[in-house]
Amino acid sequence: NAGVTQTPKFQVLKTGQSMTLQCAQDMNHNSMYWYRQDPGMGLRLIYYSASEGTTDKGEVPNGYNVSRLNKREFSLRLESAAPSQTSVYFCASRLDRGIGYGYTFGSGTRLTVV
Amino acid sequence: AQSVTQLGSHVSVSEGALVLLRCNYSSSVPPYLFWYVQYPNQGLQLLLKYTSAATLVKGINGFEAEFKKSETSFHLTKPSAHMSDAAEYFCAVSSIIQGAQKLVFGQGTRLTINP
Repeated sequence: NAGVTQTPKFQVLKTGQSMTLQCAQDMNHNSMYWYRQDPGMGLRLIYYSASEGTTDKGEVPNGYNVSRLNKREFSLRLESAAPSQTSVYFCASRLDRGIGYGYTFGSGTRLTVV
Repeated sequence: AQSVTQLGSHVSVSEGALVLLRCNYSSSVPPYLFWYVQYPNQGLQLLLKYTSAATLVKGINGFEAEFKKSETSFHLTKPSAHMSDAAEYFCAVSSIIQGAQKLVFGQGTRLTINP
């Protein structure tokens, strides 16, 4: 009954370092999403994957890359971290049975870039 | 494009008082609307959703929301606030962008409950 699992929960990076945020879901969902949450700005979509093997840019993709490794896993990579990427990152997945279905969210990764 | 606007980034009520969190939407097609709650240091949980079956939607923890097309609103209410309701609340609209379904979120409203 894990749902959406994100690792790590916390991370501190130095400017210019790289890292990958991991996300896995065990609900057999087709669609997966990466959002970032910043104070006063709600959640903004970074990248999404409508199905295994496909990925597309969201609202704020610059500075990020993603990989849909298989149906379960969707990773987010920061190649050269910048202080502007300090944020809380959420992964989500969705059952594709119509537009009325909402998302299941992970518990988030809190990233600080110094 | 569909969007939502949450009125008030911070709402404070007394324990036992009515909770009213406001959300207005913009959509050129019948919208699918959601309310999510985020407790401190946690992910988002679905409170309720409107998918055109009924205009008054009941959710978890005693919350409900009413879809009003004439006002383009989907406000969240709870008759009597409890300390455990302190959290951030997000309104969202389901949107088709570039052929794929996505949720577009409002800016969030932080609810504080005073004892």
